[in-house]
Amino acid sequence: QVQLVESGGGLVKPGGSLRLSCGAAGFPFSDYSINWVRQAPGKGLQWVSFINTAGTTIKYADSVKGRFTISRDNAKSSVDLQMDNLRVEDTALYYCARGEVTFEFWGRGTLVTVSS
Amino acid sequence: EIVLTQSPATLSVSPGERATLSCRASQSVSSHLAWYQQKPGQAPRLLMHDASTRAAGLPPTFSGSGSGTDFTLTISSLQSEDFAVYYCQQYHDWPLTFGGGTKVEIK
Repeated sequence: QVQLVESGGGLVKPGGSLRLSCGAAGFPFSDYSINWVRQAPGKGLQWVSFINTAGTTIKYADSVKGRFTISRDNAKSSVDLQMDNLRVEDTALYYCARGEVTFEFWGRGTLVTVSS
Repeated sequence: EIVLTQSPATLSVSPGERATLSCRASQSVSSHLAWYQQKPGQAPRLLMHDASTRAAGLPPTFSGSGSGTDFTLTISSLQSEDFAVYYCQQYHDWPLTFGGGTKVEIK
């Protein structure tokens, strides 16, 4: 069955960096676009970034533009999210989700905590 | 960016009763609206897309309606497993945005 597994979360100081990964299985990975969506503790959902099947179309939320970089490796069935210059307000559970503009399958998330 | 406003923030409903959730967009999104359900400790689950098309396996007790700026998710007879937080999401334009959510709780 479809599986998305996020990893790479952790505790980091403001201004620091983390690299999240989303590993996929159970479907032809190169046929699907992938998004990152985050959820701050006790809060709602916020879309973060999108990458299309070939990695040629990439989009970011304004709040992360210039600090986050999304990439994918279809040979490894994975999508990465490089997060630099992290801020306290980036603290959230980060989900990867399969879909072009709606999110039909989700991973369980990886927690990123930005705190001094 | 398109802002989605969901109401009410919390809806108290008895099992077996009907629940009506609202989502209003700050500008027209045509029918490019989805609904998600999220239970505590779980990832969201896609319920509906194109405003009224049920995701695979979703029972007909769930229905969606609306277009333009006003949308409704209706659960005709609430079961215990339906008590959760519901989010709407627009995909008419980038950035993709979500509403703030409606929590459906047991009355």
